[in-house]
Amino acid sequence: AQSVSQHNHHVILSEAASLELGCNYSYGGTVNLFWYVQYPGQHLQLLLKYFSGDPLVKGIKGFEAEFIKSKFSFNLRKPSVQWSDTAEYFCAVTPSSGTYKYIFGTGTRLKVLA
Amino acid sequence: GAVVSQHPSWVICKSGTSVKIECRSLDFQATTMFWYRQFPKQSLMLMATSNEGSKATYEQGVEKDKFLINHASLTLSTLTVTSAHPEDSSFYICSARQDGPYYEQYFGPGTRLTVT
Repeated sequence: AQSVSQHNHHVILSEAASLELGCNYSYGGTVNLFWYVQYPGQHLQLLLKYFSGDPLVKGIKGFEAEFIKSKFSFNLRKPSVQWSDTAEYFCAVTPSSGTYKYIFGTGTRLKVLA
Repeated sequence: GAVVSQHPSWVICKSGTSVKIECRSLDFQATTMFWYRQFPKQSLMLMATSNEGSKATYEQGVEKDKFLINHASLTLSTLTVTSAHPEDSSFYICSARQDGPYYEQYFGPGTRLTVT
């Protein structure tokens, strides 16, 4: 069965620290990959997405992610976090054909200390 | 662009009653919408895929007679929780898929349902 794993459930960082959140998926075919952020009390917002091409994708608010096909990974990075990055982050994967249903990871709750 | 709304944003109902939640794509047409359920501090669980003009497709373990989905137009899907029980209390989120080469989903703000 298809699945998405986010290994870091809770992360606490100080402002200006670097961030890397892991995302691994299990699916044998071609996939589209997404990172979403959910700020407290708000709805899911798209941070970035990968469909094809350059495996290093840049998103909003200084976030980037790298797709490593051989490792089935799509890790999210930010060189210097801010207090306003406190939120929950979800990785999502969808097959590139068929139903295009999203499979979400369990989420990572990030807290940035001012 | 690509805004999805949900109504109501929160609702409290008594056990045994039914509750309807609306999901609208405000600035695009969506032949497909999705309904998710999110438990506290957990991820989104796909409940069903709502297709305009046809029956919804439910995920394994989701009771179709309890969670009625209607996708009557290209901008509106509704989820009705019938004979609600306290265990149905949850955060329900819809998304609308914009047709195109990548079929990206846009998410609504969610509806908090509390059954007393």
